[in-house]
Amino acid sequence: EPEVTQTPSHQVTQMGQEVILRCVPISNHLYFYWYRQILGQKVEFLVSFYNNEISEKSEIFDDQFSVERPDGSNFTLKIRSTKLEDSAMYFCASIWEADTQYFGPGTRLTVL
Amino acid sequence: DAKTTQPPSMDCAEGRAANLPCNHSTISGNEYVYWYRQIHSQGPQYIIHGLKNNETNEMASLIITEDRKSSTLILPHATLRDTAVYYCIVRVRKPGNQFYFGTGTSLTVIP
Repeated sequence: EPEVTQTPSHQVTQMGQEVILRCVPISNHLYFYWYRQILGQKVEFLVSFYNNEISEKSEIFDDQFSVERPDGSNFTLKIRSTKLEDSAMYFCASIWEADTQYFGPGTRLTVL
Repeated sequence: DAKTTQPPSMDCAEGRAANLPCNHSTISGNEYVYWYRQIHSQGPQYIIHGLKNNETNEMASLIITEDRKSSTLILPHATLRDTAVYYCIVRVRKPGNQFYFGTGTSLTVIP
């Protein structure tokens, strides 16, 4: 069964550094998403992406965040200047059948 | 915000059916009920969804009351690997729509 993949599985960075989290959605999917989950808290929506542009974003997704689909397979989330509070699990998701979102395994981001 | 209410935790004996309730009293006519689960810190896993009819797949059954104000997810023969947080989500079935995850029900399957 096709899967959403994410790299790296764990990213450690220093505060103020830029990070890029990568996702490979299931091929032929059209909508792509990023969510995050701070340890012990809820899964929170960040942004959705369709037809090479952002279709919806949450309050969390401020100017420090950006998304891109640089080629036909990858979908990336960039955080320009990381803060301690950006430490979280970041999940990518894409739509396969109808509108059921399928999630990747996540990237654990640790900001020191 | 999440429009559902779920018990924070439940236990179930291995091999028995796990029945996870969800209240969604303000559900709209065009909103579907979705169930996802999250095992430890893995990505949420889709289980099942429905509008008003009962649904069954290889993982679970979904029973929705006639007034659609509540539903029950049934895992027919729970195993230790079913220990997870289960999320009940209501949303309009539209591709761009996000999923609002609440706090879910932490299900522990006991040997």
